[in-house]
Amino acid sequence: DTGVSQNPRHKITKRGQNVTFRCDPISEHNRLYWYRQTLGQGPEFLTYFQNEAQLEKSRLLSDRFSAERPKGSFSTLEIQRTEQGDSAMYLCASSTYRGAGELFFGEGSRLTVL
Amino acid sequence: DAKTTQPNSMESNEEEPVHLPCNHSTISGTDYIHWYRQLPSQGPEYVIHGLTSNVNNRMASLAIAEDRKSSTLILHRATLRDAAVYYCIPSITASKLTFGTGTRLQVTL
Repeated sequence: DTGVSQNPRHKITKRGQNVTFRCDPISEHNRLYWYRQTLGQGPEFLTYFQNEAQLEKSRLLSDRFSAERPKGSFSTLEIQRTEQGDSAMYLCASSTYRGAGELFFGEGSRLTVL
Repeated sequence: DAKTTQPNSMESNEEEPVHLPCNHSTISGTDYIHWYRQLPSQGPEYVIHGLTSNVNNRMASLAIAEDRKSSTLILHRATLRDAAVYYCIPSITASKLTFGTGTRLQVTL
C-alpha cells in the first residue's frame, strides 16, 4: 500500500497560467476527494468522486477549476487563468465506499501564484 | 453543519495523557463525530470517529457526552510525534468534512 500520491508536490506559476495537479488514490478506493487549505486554516472541501462520477462540487470550485477522474482511478484538478488567491495547498484523499468514516489524505500539492 | 468550538492551543508533557475537548452543541442526531489530526507539512490523518458510545483504537480514545453536545479526544501517553493540529468534525458522512481551525497541540519533554 503506497498511500495517496500527489504530483507535483510544489508548483510555482505566474498569474494567468494554467496548472494541473494529479492524484493517485489507494488502488482499491472508489471515492476520491479534493480539498484546499490556505495558511492557518483547516482544509476546505472542493469536490468528490465515486468511481468516475463527480457527485458533489463546492461553491468554492469556480468556473476556472475543473476536476476529472476519467477511468475511476487517478484524478486531475486543473486551474485555469490562475490568480494569486489560488495559492494554497491542494489536498487529495481517497476512501472505500463503505469506509466513509476514514479518509486517507495525500501530502498535498502546494501552489504559489506570483 | 454543526458548529464546533475547540481551544486554539494546548500543551502537554511527553508521556502524559492529553484530553482535547470539543463542543458541538448544534450536532444533529445522525452526525458522527470525526477526529483528524494534521502533522506539520502533511495531509490530515484520520484518528477516530464515533456516534454515541465511547470508542477506542490504537491511536486514541473518544469520549462522547451523553447529550452528544461535546466530546473529548484522549491521547493516553503523548509523544513528540503527537504534536499536531487536531480537528473535531461532526458530520453525517465523511464524504464532505468541514474542518475548522482545530487545536494545536504542543508536546514538550
